[in-house]
Amino acid sequence: DIQLTQSPSSLSASVGDRVTITCQASQHISNDIIWYQQKPGKAPKLLIYDASTLETGVPSRFSGGGSGTDFTLTISSLQPEDIATYFCQQYEDLRLTFGGGTKVEVK
Amino acid sequence: QLQLHESGPGLVKPSETLSLTCSVSGGSTSSTSYYWGWIRQTPGKGLEWIGTIYYSGNTYYNPSLKSRVTISLDTSKSQFSLRLSSVTAADTAVYYCARIIGYSGYGADHWGQGTLVAVSS
Repeated sequence: DIQLTQSPSSLSASVGDRVTITCQASQHISNDIIWYQQKPGKAPKLLIYDASTLETGVPSRFSGGGSGTDFTLTISSLQPEDIATYFCQQYEDLRLTFGGGTKVEVK
Repeated sequence: QLQLHESGPGLVKPSETLSLTCSVSGGSTSSTSYYWGWIRQTPGKGLEWIGTIYYSGNTYYNPSLKSRVTISLDTSKSQFSLRLSSVTAADTAVYYCARIIGYSGYGADHWGQGTLVAVSS
């Protein structure tokens, strides 16, 4: 089974900072990575699919990149409303796997 | 606007069966473009995919839960259901139902609000 390892598990940044989260797959998965944002007490929200395509309505400060085994989610200028936990997800034979999550906090 | 809503008991006794239903409104569970799935979340294990069902009735289960899981779909009622047997405290979690896009990475683009199920005597 493919495992997803996210890093860091948490980070603290200032408003306006550029923030990058990584997701590493244990095997090559082409560009089949999804990114979610989850705020406390809420369900996850789909942000990015196919590694780099923004879901409709997602602010352009969010971007995704990578292919193969190494992927990134970048927030170009952190905003207070971006405080959340971010998860990556992949699928293999229609079986979904999630990364462990990265909690983003404001300094 | 598509909405999903989980319902079911919030407390289940150990060794019994957890049963949840997801009611879908504003969209069709007969669509060929989407799957319908269950995902749970615990503080310790994060997000865990439980299983997925297609409009045809084809099911896909997490291998670690497969022996205990049944997911079914009733398109006439726009509902799908989860049954998890022989539960233990480790099955205590927030359970989400979700619509899963049947292309482009199989991401879940609509989620229910989640329901907390505790396993305790």
